[in-house]
Amino acid sequence: KAGVTQTPRYLIKTRGQQVTLSCSPISGHRSVSWYQQTPGQGLQFLFEYFSETQRNKGNFPGRFSGRQFSNSRSEMNVSTLELGDSALYLCASSSVGSYSPLHFGNGTRLTVT
Amino acid sequence: TQLLEQSPQFLSIQEGENLTVYCNSSSVFSSLQWYRQEPGEGPVLLVTVVTGGEVKKLKRLTFQFGDARKDSSLHITAAQPGDTGLYLCAGAGNNAGNMLTFGGGTRLMVKP
Repeated sequence: KAGVTQTPRYLIKTRGQQVTLSCSPISGHRSVSWYQQTPGQGLQFLFEYFSETQRNKGNFPGRFSGRQFSNSRSEMNVSTLELGDSALYLCASSSVGSYSPLHFGNGTRLTVT
Repeated sequence: TQLLEQSPQFLSIQEGENLTVYCNSSSVFSSLQWYRQEPGEGPVLLVTVVTGGEVKKLKRLTFQFGDARKDSSLHITAAQPGDTGLYLCAGAGNNAGNMLTFGGGTRLMVKP
């Protein structure tokens, strides 16, 4: 079974630009979550989508948004990029059911200059 | 806001030594997960504990969930260089879906 795939692996953008990151979950997984990982703040929850609906949202500004498609693939978008948005963005998928394990992708490393 | 304090932040030990990583919170979690992350990769789930007082063993790793479900520990016996990595604890609140609160991580280095 293929794992969670995130594209691209690396991205360099300039302040003020916007960026879209993509995540393909494990086949059959309907929940997709996004996390931001930085050296200073660690891993922080961005949002979770389940069956194309946002189920939970973390404490991030509205510049961060996401969506999920009918095939469970998900995208997240960051508009008006700031230097502090430089981070590793991780996507995780899981199947339904309590305590279903999260399967993380290897992330997209975003650098904002 | 739920917070998870993880300690120590860094640990450098010799092969064969034992170690314990702690994860503490003032909040109650419905479950507590432990992950290991290696450079350039995403975290990989090691274990999930859901019952207060629960102890789970995974080869040389022993995980414990506190009775009040506010804290957890990871104990590694006879550490090996292959255990080197970033260890993360993560708590799930009630009805929180996959919204996990992560600890700051423990970076472990095991020297041969």
